[in-house]
Parts: sequence; C-alpha cells; structure tokens
Amino acid sequence: SAVISQKPSRDICQRGTSLTIQCQVDSQVTMMFWYRQQPGQSLTLIATANQGSEATYESGFVIDKFPISRPNLTFSTLTVSNMSPEDSSIYLCSVGDRGDTEAFFGQGTRLTVV
Amino acid sequence: AQSVTQPDIHITVSEGASLELRCNYSYGATPYLFWYVQSPGQGLQLLLKYFSGDTLVQGIKGFEAEFKRSQSSFNLRKPSVHWSDAAEYFCATSGAGSYQLTFGKGTKLSVIP
Repeated sequence: SAVISQKPSRDICQRGTSLTIQCQVDSQVTMMFWYRQQPGQSLTLIATANQGSEATYESGFVIDKFPISRPNLTFSTLTVSNMSPEDSSIYLCSVGDRGDTEAFFGQGTRLTVV
Repeated sequence: AQSVTQPDIHITVSEGASLELRCNYSYGATPYLFWYVQSPGQGLQLLLKYFSGDTLVQGIKGFEAEFKRSQSSFNLRKPSVHWSDAAEYFCATSGAGSYQLTFGKGTKLSVIP
C-alpha cells in the first residue's frame, strides 16, 4: 500500500491569498486525485492529476481556481487561489496504481479562510 | 452516472448494541464498493471493500458488509459497537479498475455508554 504525505496538515489563511498543498507518495503511482470535503459534507472529487499534462477537472471546478501540478509519478500539488471563506474545507490527496484494488488517502489538509 | 445514497445522516447506538449502516448505490455494471471511516480530525481509513466473489465481506475492527445486487445495497454491520467506533462512515463506489471514488454523504455514528 502507498504511504501518502500531505503538507501542510492545516493552515489558516487570509481571504484573497493562495495556498499550495503538496502530496508526496512513497512509490510511483498511476493515478492521483484531489478531493474536497466541506464542513459537515462528504468528499467531492476536484480533479484527476495527470502526469505531464493538464489535470482533468470535474464539473464545478476550474483550473484558474484550483491549479494542479503533477511533475512526476510521486508528487502533486493543488493550489487554492484567491481564497474566500467558502473555500474552508479539508483537501485530500488520493492515489491508486495498477494492481491495487483500492485507492489510498492522505491525512488531508484542513484549510480555514478568514 | 454513479451515485451512492446513505439514508441515515446520524445514528446513535448504545455501546454493546448491534449496528447497521445503510448504503444504496446506482451503477450500470458491477461496482467496486467500499466503506471508509473518518474519526474527528483524521483522514480516511478503509474498513472493507467488495469487488467480486463472496457477497459477505469481512473488514477490520469487526465490521462486515453484505453486497445485495437485487437491492443495490451494501450495508455495513457490526454485532457489538464499542465507544471507539464513534466516527463518520462513508460508503463509496468506483468502476472496475478505477480509483476515482463517488462518496455518499456519510453517516455520523454516536455511541452512548
């Protein structure tokens, strides 16, 4: 199973600023995903991070707001841009690879925008 | 499109009592089904998964789930709940070989002494 490290684990940010969240995996993985969990809500997929190409965004999420990078098979970043209080959520990185029967999750980044 | 319904937002049980959390899915083919638990301030932990074979699946922490195709259900059960089981439980589904998950809204479990 993959071990995923997310940084930061939590942050409090001012509105209008941006935060970049890092996801580091201890092995090469085919698939990486970013999810958002708003307070008291379930997890919603933001995008699939594609290595070497633009991320694939789900309906309701756009690249200008949530730019994603994936420079290699073990690392990805999610930036939450021009933040507002509505962006206060837990952001989770998830990975999967051929041969796995499940996806693995990082511990999440708890973001509070004030 | 895939969807997952967890009808119960919040359930309260007494410690030692049995538990059943409901999950219904909508998917055209045979889905992969999962139950995750999230304790306060923690990440997601996989309790169990189903993708083929025996429809009764055993997981960690004494949990089990039964896949019932005729009812499109994958309910989670535990015969005797412990106080440490208090958490949020999420049912999720994906297509075969896909790691992209669709989650239900979750069921919050409270355990009273």
